[in-house]
Amino acid sequence: DVKVTQSSRYLVKRTGEKVFLECVQDMDHENMFWYRQDPGLGLRLIYFSYDVKMKEKGDIPEGYSVSREKKERFSLILESASTNQTSMYLCASSPRTSGNTGELFFGEGSRLTVL
Amino acid sequence: AQKVTQAQTEISVVEKEDVTLDCVYETRDTTYYLFWYKQPPSGELVFLIRRNSFDEQNEISGRYSWNFQKSTSSFNFTITASQVVDSAVYFCALSDYKLSFGAGTTVTVRA
Repeated sequence: DVKVTQSSRYLVKRTGEKVFLECVQDMDHENMFWYRQDPGLGLRLIYFSYDVKMKEKGDIPEGYSVSREKKERFSLILESASTNQTSMYLCASSPRTSGNTGELFFGEGSRLTVL
Repeated sequence: AQKVTQAQTEISVVEKEDVTLDCVYETRDTTYYLFWYKQPPSGELVFLIRRNSFDEQNEISGRYSWNFQKSTSSFNFTITASQVVDSAVYFCALSDYKLSFGAGTTVTVRA
């Protein structure tokens, strides 16, 4: 059964802490994405990657960075967490051939609360 | 401007009722793709359907059906004879040069 696995379902952090959200996929997909989901706003793209060591900014990259050292793993980093980063974070992947036309495979999400 | 508008925030129905979710999109491209995703309480978004801009045929899959109308820039989704397991958040999405999601519609089906 193919999967996108996010390391933590729920996290509670304090303002100013460094936060790592990990995502691993077992489908050998080239493309990986990080979204945040907020009520009334839907999903907004933070960063994406089309290959190892490659990253591109999405619509709301401010306050975030990413790392893609291995094909299967895509990490989202909050260098100094703030309360406005309290949200649900969703990781997704897709094969290279799909471009922007194919389905995305999502993880179950990581709900982050910053106090 | 929002590219994908799901005007209904929440819909609540009783089991076996039909429910239609509206999706209106905006794009200048002639080639684009439209999607519907379902997010059950477990959190994982699940792909339901993809439509390209050149295929306006309606589609039916079991109790699900989709009505794509380019003239009104709409891609509506109907669940027939709803069941409790249909309770979820449903997202419409548009992919032209990038993928944009609507805000989602929360569907609650009561037994």
